[in-house]
Amino acid sequence: EAQVTQNPRYLITVTGKKLTVTCSQNMNHEYMSWYRQDPGLGLRQIYYSMNVEVTDKGDVPEGYKVSRKEKRNFPLILESPSPNQTSLYFCASSPRGRHTEAFFGQGTRLTVV
Amino acid sequence: AQSVTQPDIHITVSEGASLELRCNYSYGATPYLFWYVQSPGQGLQLLLKYFSGDTLVQGIKGFEAEFKRSQSSFNLRKPSVHWSDAAEYFCAVGRNTGNQFYFGTGTSLTVIP
Repeated sequence: EAQVTQNPRYLITVTGKKLTVTCSQNMNHEYMSWYRQDPGLGLRQIYYSMNVEVTDKGDVPEGYKVSRKEKRNFPLILESPSPNQTSLYFCASSPRGRHTEAFFGQGTRLTVV
Repeated sequence: AQSVTQPDIHITVSEGASLELRCNYSYGATPYLFWYVQSPGQGLQLLLKYFSGDTLVQGIKGFEAEFKRSQSSFNLRKPSVHWSDAAEYFCAVGRNTGNQFYFGTGTSLTVIP
């Protein structure tokens, strides 16, 4: 089954403790992105990647890191999480081309206390 | 700057009634537009998309949307709502590069019996 898989689905952590949210897609898509969803703000892009070893900042990159060492994986790293990073996070992938839609993972709900 | 506006934060309709969710976009060129649905605890699922051609687009689950360039709108409609349509709906416009998207802030739909 074609899918984007995020782990974990739920995570509670403490301020300053480094964490990684994994994202993997099995559709051989070139493009991958991370979004955060907050009430009243919709989805905002954190980082995106157009291919292996090619990443760039989105609209709200502060406090986040990403890497794209393999085509299928795009982990999101929070080196020193803070409470304002409490949010619902989505990973998405899409194939190359102008008119293709994004395929989303099921989300990771992160709480930083 | 590119942006998407969903003016209705929350809408309540009776089961069997018709539905229209509003979406306005700001984009310099011909936009490509999407509607996604997010059911509770789930990721985003594509309902429909518009690139060019016929301005009335049919999607899944009985939804349709009409692109009106003169009004910069891409409203989502359904003639008869089912209780299972209760969800959050997001309008999105594709960006220029990397298959990225600007999302609206979402409209939460409640369906009452």
